[in-house]
Amino acid sequence: KQEVTQIPAALSVPEGENLVLNCSFTDSAIYNLQWFRQDPGKGLTSLLLIQSSQREQTSGRLNASLDKSSGRSTLYIAASQPGDSATYLCAAHNNAGNMLTFGGGTRLMVKP
Amino acid sequence: DGGITQSPKYLFRKEGQNVTLSCEQNLNHDAMYWYRQDPGQGLRLIYYSQIVNDFQKGDIAEGYSVSREKKESFPLTVTSAQKNPTAFYLCASSMGTSTYTFGSGTRLTVV
Repeated sequence: KQEVTQIPAALSVPEGENLVLNCSFTDSAIYNLQWFRQDPGKGLTSLLLIQSSQREQTSGRLNASLDKSSGRSTLYIAASQPGDSATYLCAAHNNAGNMLTFGGGTRLMVKP
Repeated sequence: DGGITQSPKYLFRKEGQNVTLSCEQNLNHDAMYWYRQDPGQGLRLIYYSQIVNDFQKGDIAEGYSVSREKKESFPLTVTSAQKNPTAFYLCASSMGTSTYTFGSGTRLTVV
């Protein structure tokens, strides 16, 4: 059974810092790896999707990488802003069955 | 605009009562999902459906039931058998293995 872990669980940084969020998964047989953002009391917003054949995806200040062999993905946020404060979740889309398995999330606070 | 609508936003359930959470999508997505989120935790899959009139149990299906009579709709019933139903419930849809679209959630509280 796929298990997804995110470290750290919480992170507080000053505005302007570059930061890395980590995601690891136990089963490398995945279709893709997805990163989401969740604001308090809200649903999830899709940020980036990396196909299993890809190494990374970029969108604006966000860059996500995928290393299937080691079961790891990272989300890099450049020049962080207070508006980036939210919970970031990664999810692995398994080959067996059409479903996502989520990590516990990293709660990010960017201080002005 | 296309999207997913969940209702109600807040729901209160008395002990022993069944309640139904609504989820409607107009994205023409084949697959729909129900997740449960507890405070400070990630999402856990309750049920999913890849096609009309068919659905599968997720990791925590006990105490829940669903139906998929229309492509657009995937309601979730929280039954009295669910002993700890207080949580944030999220509905999602997808087309195959592509990006998922989530609703804004329903917060269920037992009173």
